[in-house]
Amino acid sequence: EAEVAQSPRYKITEKSQAVAFWCDPISGHATLYWYRQILGQGPELLVQFQDESVVDDSQLPKDRFSAERLKGVDSTLKIQPAELGDSAMYLCASSLVAGGLQETQYFGPGTRLLVL
Amino acid sequence: GQQLNQSPQSMFIQEGEDVSMNCTSSSIFNTWLWYKQDPGEGPVLLIALYKAGELTSNGRLTAQFGITRKDSFLNISASIPSDVGIYFCAGTGNQFYFGTGTSLTVIP
Repeated sequence: EAEVAQSPRYKITEKSQAVAFWCDPISGHATLYWYRQILGQGPELLVQFQDESVVDDSQLPKDRFSAERLKGVDSTLKIQPAELGDSAMYLCASSLVAGGLQETQYFGPGTRLLVL
Repeated sequence: GQQLNQSPQSMFIQEGEDVSMNCTSSSIFNTWLWYKQDPGEGPVLLIALYKAGELTSNGRLTAQFGITRKDSFLNISASIPSDVGIYFCAGTGNQFYFGTGTSLTVIP
């Protein structure tokens, strides 16, 4: 069964360091999403890609966060410098397309980040 | 912004009991989705609903897309300990929205 892959599963870093997370969506899924989930809350969208283009990054803290999906397949989310408040689960999801019946999102296992 | 109100916020039930949770919104949605999230894992899709009035089952789980397109419910019959987790509803309109989650605890 096709799955969304994420790595690493866990990351511990010190504040002011740079961290990067990787996501490989389900094959053929054009739309890729990065979410941040704070413990006890639902996921919050950070950025949405359609192929290699960003379609929504309104909630991405652009002073420290960046995301890319250069070839429209896998994606990287970077934080530089990391702050204590960035400690959270970072989830990647993908869907066939955005909008309509094919927008059902499938999630990866997440990367749990702890900033010390 | 759009919010999905999910209730109850948490449930503590005895193994074998049935569970019911629901999700409501202030505007209509095109699809309703139900996910389960185990601690430290990503949400796993349980049921997807694409049509108003649709009733869909997946094993012991049953979900319905409300006729008004503004609500959905999820039922779990004969709960077992592995049903423990957080259940999220999600809906798609012009964007994708998550509910606030229902934390389920099953007491053996």
